[in-house]
Amino acid sequence: GQNIDQPTEMTATEGAIVQINCTYQTSGFNGLFWYQQHAGEAPTFLSYNVLDGLEEKGRFSSFLSRSKGYSYLLLKELQMKDSASYLCAVRDDYKLSFGAGTTVTVRA
Amino acid sequence: ETGVTQTPRHLVMGMTNKKSLKCEQHLGHNAMYWYKQSAKKPLELMFVYNFKEQTENNSVPSRFSPECPNSSHLFLHLHTLQPEDSALYLCASTYVAGGSDTQYFGPGTRLTVL
Repeated sequence: GQNIDQPTEMTATEGAIVQINCTYQTSGFNGLFWYQQHAGEAPTFLSYNVLDGLEEKGRFSSFLSRSKGYSYLLLKELQMKDSASYLCAVRDDYKLSFGAGTTVTVRA
Repeated sequence: ETGVTQTPRHLVMGMTNKKSLKCEQHLGHNAMYWYKQSAKKPLELMFVYNFKEQTENNSVPSRFSPECPNSSHLFLHLHTLQPEDSALYLCASTYVAGGSDTQYFGPGTRLTVL
């Protein structure tokens, strides 16, 4: 079976940094994705990790440790528009298994 | 805009109705997916089509019937649904090539079953 855990909610202040952790236990692994989903909208792709280490994309970074079954998404210089749900997903072959999502609320 | 469109965006139906959801992608992808998203739950994979062939049916009740007439279009036919089927139904597509194979999602159809 697939087990992907991430916190339900996080709150942070505009301009701050927030780290969203994701732990997984899956039968297969071909990579880990992070998606952002604003209320009522489609999930949009943020990052992809398949090797251990840090991938940086502007204000967003994602880290992976395959041996620990662990990833995090780091959001820097938070803006109000970053208030959204962040989904961690593990790929096995051509299928994705998702965590329940972390709702991030950015306060002024 | 992700290049994946879904219609209708909102649908209210009774338990005896028959309706269809439509998904279309203009990205040249070769795999398409249906997911169900319920409040506070992970996205649940329902069906996968690879090169128009159904390769996954994730124990979905027969009241949901997918159809993939070509690699650009995907339908989900609905009949005799239950109130617990109310959810956001998302379509996604990707090009399966052995790389990251990122899935791109449509905006979803918000379904309410009365």
